[in-house]
Amino acid sequence: GAVVSQHPSRVICKSGTSVKIECRSLDFQATTMFWYRQFPKQSLMLMATSNEGSKATYEQGVEKDKFLINHASLTLSTLTVTSAHPEDSSFYICSASPGRGRQGQPQHFGDGTRLSIL
Amino acid sequence: AQKITQTQPGMFVQEKEAVTLDCTYDTSDPSYGLFWYKQPSSGEMIFLIYQGSYDQQNATEGRYSLNFQKARKSANLVISASQLGDSAMYFCEMGAQKLVFGQGTRLTINP
Repeated sequence: GAVVSQHPSRVICKSGTSVKIECRSLDFQATTMFWYRQFPKQSLMLMATSNEGSKATYEQGVEKDKFLINHASLTLSTLTVTSAHPEDSSFYICSASPGRGRQGQPQHFGDGTRLSIL
Repeated sequence: AQKITQTQPGMFVQEKEAVTLDCTYDTSDPSYGLFWYKQPSSGEMIFLIYQGSYDQQNATEGRYSLNFQKARKSANLVISASQLGDSAMYFCEMGAQKLVFGQGTRLTINP
């Protein structure tokens, strides 16, 4: 149980393109979904937290207009990297939790999306 | 402020030996959860084990156990009888007001 599907797994595109990444919880309702960015050999950096039906909460330093997050249903959240540039190249991972991902509720992660902007 | 510290950037262990991965934390929140995740080279994050701040007993899940010492604010992961497939990055995470990950420990199991 607790499967999270993230798609696509890899994207290579030209600078200026907008890229959408989907995160779906397949067998549970995700009250909260999280989006992380991970640079090579580094830890996960939380970008934003999204709750179904409400606006995402972005971490300090993360551009809201650059990284658009939509949590349209209890099983789907999307991250759109708008007008992507080479510095946006990274590994993006989503996670989902039936609660708020805190006491007693682990996050269930997608397999990640490796984004490469040329 | 919340903080997670993993002081071992890399560890090398012989197969079948037990290994302890260190994790210390800091928070003023009385209620929190501590989680360990494994990240193989393929990139996915795999949940291993959880410990709640009010749990009296140390958590165990198969070969994984969590050595929770609340007064010392440590939540070390113990892997017994290590296997080659245990080679991966391991992250400690605290869930309180914020979700915070440690920097990770790269564990390599040698045959």
